[in-house]
Formats: sequence, C-alpha cells, structure tokens
Amino acid sequence: NAGVTQTPKFQVLKTGQSMTLQCAQDMNHEYMSWYRQDPGMGLRLIHYSVGAGITDQGEVPNGYNVSRSTTEDFPLRLLSAAPSQTSVYFCASTDTSGDVCFGPGTRLTVT
Amino acid sequence: GESVGLHLPTLSVQEGDNSIINCAYSNSASDYFIWYKQESGKGPQFIIDIRSNMDKRQGQRVTVLLNKTVKHLSLQIAATQPGDSAVYFCAENSGGSNYKLTFGKGTLLTVNP
Repeated sequence: NAGVTQTPKFQVLKTGQSMTLQCAQDMNHEYMSWYRQDPGMGLRLIHYSVGAGITDQGEVPNGYNVSRSTTEDFPLRLLSAAPSQTSVYFCASTDTSGDVCFGPGTRLTVT
Repeated sequence: GESVGLHLPTLSVQEGDNSIINCAYSNSASDYFIWYKQESGKGPQFIIDIRSNMDKRQGQRVTVLLNKTVKHLSLQIAATQPGDSAVYFCAENSGGSNYKLTFGKGTLLTVNP
C-alpha cells in the first residue's frame, strides 16, 4: 500500500489564484481529514469526511472547500488564495479502529 | 474553545538520558490521547496512544502517563537517542472521533551526543 499520498509537495500561488491540493489513500479508510500547520504550531483541522459524499467543517474551514466523491480521494480547494493560507497542509485517513495515517504534506506559499 | 497545550516548548537532553515531555489538556470529554513525533519536513508519526480508562501505557522505550485529575499527559522516552530529536505533539480526540484531532503546539526535543 502507498498509504496516504499528497500532491503537489510544494506550491507557490499569487493572491487570488485558485488551486486544488490532492489527497489519496489506498487503504479503504472511511474517514479522511485535512489539517494545516503553521510555524511553531500544532495541526489544526480544516475539514473532514466520514465517508464518500459526506463532509463537514473543522476548526478553521474558511477559505477552503472539500468534496468526497470516492472513498479514495479527498481534494482540498482554495478558491481565492490569501497570504494567510501560507502553511503546510496535511491530509490524514483513519480506519474504523481509530488508527490515523498522515500524508507527507504540501507546503504552500501565497505571495 | 478548549485546547491541548504543552508546558515546555523546547527540551534539550544528553544522549542516554531519559526525556519527559508534558502536555495539559482542558477538554474533560476527551477519551483518547495520542503522542506524535514530527521530523523536519515530514508528517506526524504515531508514537503511542492511551485511552481515558487507563493511566499508563508502555511501548518500546516510551511510556505515556495520563492524570485525569489534573488533565495532564506526559511522554517519557528512555535512553534518548539522537534519532529521537524531533518535535513531539500530543493530540486528543474529543468525543471519540479520531478523524477530528486537536493538537498541542509541540515540544522540540534536541538530543546532544
């Protein structure tokens, strides 16, 4: 299994641009989540999904959209990037026993 | 809102010493706690977890202690090695949902050879 994969690894955007951060898992986990990590901080939950077709907001959802059309994929969309969204983004999947697997992260810079 | 926090932002130890990293949590409804290790440029790596019906759990060279009375969690690393140098985070899953974790700010552990 590849586990949780994220693309791209690095991205630079200009303010106002849009983009999608990709996340995929091949472990058939029902639950998936997106977190952001700012310098010197722990991870904060952006959005999560408890299954295909079901998503909900986390602690810091503003400026982000998600969808879950398949069990495997959970993309995170930035519709109009802002400098405040400069961060490292981690995707995670969780199995029914509660084990959490994190992806390697996407480092995003918005200028 | 309620949050998980750490007492010490940095910890420097000598190789071979034992390390203790502390964490305070404020959500009394939390029933599951996890310690993660994060190396530079990587995602969080699971170390050890503990449920709220336990007060101690041991792994390989690591022990987690949970004191629900004072809402305190600690991670003990025995015989600390240079490879243990990283940022350590505690996390809680309020209400039992592991897909909605609340993280502390992290402690940077530096192991000196």
